[in-house]
Amino acid sequence: QQPVQSPQAVILREGEDAVINCSSSKALYSVHWYRQKHGEAPVFLMILLKGGEQKGHEKISASFNEKKQQSSLYLTASQLSYSGTYFCGTDRSGSARQLTFGSGTQLTVLP
Amino acid sequence: NAGVTQTPKFQVLKTGQSMTLQCAQDMNHEYMSWYRQDPGMGLRLIHYSVGAGITDQGEVPNGYNVSRSTTEDFPLRLLSAAPSQTSVYFCASGIGTDTQYFGPGTRLTVL
Repeated sequence: QQPVQSPQAVILREGEDAVINCSSSKALYSVHWYRQKHGEAPVFLMILLKGGEQKGHEKISASFNEKKQQSSLYLTASQLSYSGTYFCGTDRSGSARQLTFGSGTQLTVLP
Repeated sequence: NAGVTQTPKFQVLKTGQSMTLQCAQDMNHEYMSWYRQDPGMGLRLIHYSVGAGITDQGEVPNGYNVSRSTTEDFPLRLLSAAPSQTSVYFCASGIGTDTQYFGPGTRLTVL
């Protein structure tokens, strides 16, 4: 079952902050965040593992609430380069073999 | 390193034709996967492989075949193309699903 992302789209000015949420109705072992610019391939940002471990981008932070099966991606002091579509992918089995992606959040940063 | 490469970049097929999308990686990753991306649908896993000779189905495997004879290559075969298979196809590789590296994609149109 596909995780639900919110909001679907957000527009902000350079320097503003944004939060993108990802929630699942099933128990999760890990949440993976990717960013995709128009016409390009998705690029890995961060992985959050059950138990609190995080790996990924230095300038982007995220949280994973295991009880609520929710993850949030925090983009602070947004830069123009942050524009793109952000996807969360969830691993429900713990096997690290299959990710189920949400439908994405389109972020536009204006000057 | 070239990373993950995909060929062709664009392809137009007629209904009923077959073809193979090529994917290769030079990072010695055991895990490789194929996704399709449709507008508003995010990424959906078609097939994946955890090593040479080992493949398994993902979320949307019908109409597609894969094989993994070497660590480097993971081709995706469309057996009898249908208009519903019009999509952008991404190949990815990684250490399990952690930090997957995506190829540039193949844009396929089935008439």
